[in-house]
Amino acid sequence: NAGVTQTPKFQVLKTGQSMTLQCAQDMNHNSMYWYRQDPGMGLRLIYYSASEGTTDKGEVPNGYNVSRLNKREFSLRLESAAPSQTSVYFCASSPWGANVLTFGAGSRLTVL
Amino acid sequence: SQQGEEDPQALSIQEGENATMNCSYKTSINNLQWYRQNSGRGLVHLILIRSNEREKHSGRLRVTLDTSKKSSSLLITASRAADTASYFCATDVQGAQKLVFGQGTRLTINP
Repeated sequence: NAGVTQTPKFQVLKTGQSMTLQCAQDMNHNSMYWYRQDPGMGLRLIYYSASEGTTDKGEVPNGYNVSRLNKREFSLRLESAAPSQTSVYFCASSPWGANVLTFGAGSRLTVL
Repeated sequence: SQQGEEDPQALSIQEGENATMNCSYKTSINNLQWYRQNSGRGLVHLILIRSNEREKHSGRLRVTLDTSKKSSSLLITASRAADTASYFCATDVQGAQKLVFGQGTRLTINP
């Protein structure tokens, strides 16, 4: 029972580089989320997917794109990384809607 | 802006004492949840209270909800060193299929 798996766990990028954070869940959950966590800011929602085939913007979507590849997988892409995107990124899933979330372990991204 | 705001931002108590954290929110909700985050780890769900409930217990945890004041509190009784973590409230905003988190309370339990 892996739950929510995020890769990579750590990544260092240079400004302007692109990368994709991968997230997969094995709990047959319908909804998936990407949050970022910065010191003193709590968790802020970047994008979410209420169900397979749909995605919606959260509080801080600028500079990011997402893909709900299938029911299990939800990826987050940074097309042109900026230092302001240095953060810890968390993927989460829930059975449906704003139900109880199961979180991944996080991906720490540093943009130089 | 954040839906939930937590108070205090940091709390340090002695082992065995009770710890109380508060959360205020702005809009109508379906439910409110509390999560714990140990340093360097993902968040773990603790307890959910629905908008029509006023109090809920789970082990050493007691959560209250006052929808008229748009506030909730989390009480941890008989604290232990292992309770040292950050605690976040999250609200399920009516009409939205997402959770919005507060900024968290950092709790330190001193032996």
